[in-house]
Amino acid sequence: GAGVSQSPSNKVTEKGKDVELRCDPISGHTALYWYRQSLGQGLEFLIYFQGNSAPDKSGLPSDRFSAERTGGSVSTLTIQRTQQEDSAVYLCASSPNNRQNNEQFFGPGTRLTVL
Amino acid sequence: SQKIEQNSEALNIQEGKTATLTCNYTNYSPAYLQWYRQDPGRGPVFLLLIRENEKEKRKERLKVTFDTTLKQSLFHITASQPADSATYLCALQTGANNLFFGTGTRLTVIP
Repeated sequence: GAGVSQSPSNKVTEKGKDVELRCDPISGHTALYWYRQSLGQGLEFLIYFQGNSAPDKSGLPSDRFSAERTGGSVSTLTIQRTQQEDSAVYLCASSPNNRQNNEQFFGPGTRLTVL
Repeated sequence: SQKIEQNSEALNIQEGKTATLTCNYTNYSPAYLQWYRQDPGRGPVFLLLIRENEKEKRKERLKVTFDTTLKQSLFHITASQPADSATYLCALQTGANNLFFGTGTRLTVIP
């Protein structure tokens, strides 16, 4: 079946511009996560959506970052007024959120380069 | 502060040997610990999950141990193959559903 997809796969933007990154989770998965991975670094948690509950935004690094999840499916991560330090791979993951197994299924990521 | 450390940034071993990767953590009380594999340019792929009340879990050539007293997990790949070369990430899950990832160990299996 289809896995998690993300678009675009690569995004190059100029400092100060806004960008939108999209994630299509696996159908039926109620949990959706966004992470950021910088070169040589681990995955940094950004935000977590679970069903209709209020998202856990505790990992967002600044108020320039925001995310939405419409209809409990597709999610968009928006970065406003991008800075060079925002350059990283942004990974999305979804999970069935079964407490017996919180295995996360990752997309291929979007590589963001801010010039 | 909370910290997850994986033993080394890079590990090279000969084909056929057992690779052992370490994940140590401080100031977490994980309910679960997971291991993922990540290949260059791809997202992580789930390998194994072990619960806090389990000591050991096996899957084919993979074995994971979890010692909540030592706050450590060991990840073993037996009879290693060049195709096992990748970065391996450990991740802790606390009572909530968030996963906290280590920085990973890059394993290279030399033919």
